[in-house]
Amino acid sequence: SQTIHQWPATLVQPVGSPLSLECTVEGTSNPNLYWYRQAAGRGLQLLFYSVGIGQISSEVPQNLSASRPQDRQFILSSKKLLLSDSGFYLCAWSEGGGYTFGSGTRLTVV
Amino acid sequence: GEDVEQSLFLSVREGDSSVINCTYTDSSSTYLYWYKQEPGAGLQLLTYIFSNMDMKQDQRLTVLLNKKDKHLSLRIADTQTGDSAIYFCAERTGTGGFKTIFGAGTRLFVKA
Repeated sequence: SQTIHQWPATLVQPVGSPLSLECTVEGTSNPNLYWYRQAAGRGLQLLFYSVGIGQISSEVPQNLSASRPQDRQFILSSKKLLLSDSGFYLCAWSEGGGYTFGSGTRLTVV
Repeated sequence: GEDVEQSLFLSVREGDSSVINCTYTDSSSTYLYWYKQEPGAGLQLLTYIFSNMDMKQDQRLTVLLNKKDKHLSLRIADTQTGDSAIYFCAERTGTGGFKTIFGAGTRLFVKA
């Protein structure tokens, strides 16, 4: 069966520090992968999606970047975090129908 | 542009029915979804409806789609305290198959 792992679950980072959030998927090959951000009291905002290794599409200009070094690995990064990067980050995959989401990472930038 | 709107809060008594409403703007949407998010967790797909359907029922859940008015609703029969969560409406847009637009979520409070 397919599973999606996302870590860490919570993270507190100072402004200006780097960020690396990792997401891996098991039990499927060549999935579409996504990074979403959920700001407090707001809906989900699509940040990046990837249809294959090395293929990244960015939905909104921002301080973050994404990479897909392997078929089932999707990484969200930043060189220097801003206060506005705080939020709940969700990784997801899909094969056409609905999405399967990871458990999320709550990032607080202080 | 594409947009999905839903009310932010709904409060019901245990045992009553809950109806969560959603409107969307993209008339070429292919799928419409309802997700549930429990505190501190990711989103869980509850149900979905294809855009050429009017209704879908799955145990206590009933989804109604009015494509003319671009209105989607989720009815939860016999609401339980365990149904307390945030419910997200989402549409898969017809243009650019990878884009799914989410609403802000409706927080459902179930009072015992």
